[in-house]
Amino acid sequence: NAGVMQNPRHLVRRRGQEARLRCSPMKGHSHVYWYRQLPEEGLKFMVYLQKENIIDESGMPKERFSAEFPKEGPSILRIQQVVRGDSAAYFCASSPPRQDREAFFGQGTRLTVV
Amino acid sequence: AQSVTQLGSHVSVSEGALVLLRCNYSSSVPPYLFWYVQYPNQGLQLLLKYTSAATLVKGINGFEAEFKKSETSFHLTKPSAHMSDAAEYFCAVSDMRYGGSQGNLIFGKGTKLSVKP
Repeated sequence: NAGVMQNPRHLVRRRGQEARLRCSPMKGHSHVYWYRQLPEEGLKFMVYLQKENIIDESGMPKERFSAEFPKEGPSILRIQQVVRGDSAAYFCASSPPRQDREAFFGQGTRLTVV
Repeated sequence: AQSVTQLGSHVSVSEGALVLLRCNYSSSVPPYLFWYVQYPNQGLQLLLKYTSAATLVKGINGFEAEFKKSETSFHLTKPSAHMSDAAEYFCAVSDMRYGGSQGNLIFGKGTKLSVKP
């Protein structure tokens, strides 16, 4: 059973471009969580998704950011019109349907906006 | 609201010395607590977790932590540091709005551990 797979591992975008970050959860996991880690900061919760549903997006910036977890395929975190302040490491985690089960983290996507 | 405070953004110890990383939490309900380790340019790996069973929790790589409700603390310790322990350590509390979901976490800012030869 492969772990949580995130790609790309590193992504460079120019200001104004779009960034698409992908997260494939572990097999059997239907819950996905996205976190952002700014330099010298801990991880900040962004969004919690289940298949085809956004459960909690209270940590997402109001503009330019969106997330989805379709019935088939990976979860996608999309950042439109990126700015320098979006440069960060983005991590996703996945867990099984039962809430008392451990969540596993991917290795992250490091986004650099130039 | 729940929160986590990690005292000391950087801790340096000598190889073989005791490791003590401090974590205090704030929660209006009994919390679930976690320690994660992050090596450079890597993801997070779970070291140990407290989910209301034994208050002394043993984890991987010789680490352990003790839940102390009276002190609202969950400090991480290891009797003897090894060079390979150099990493960043994060304490986290589960967002109890989701019934203790282990994916909805509130993290501290992290403590970077350096180990001197």
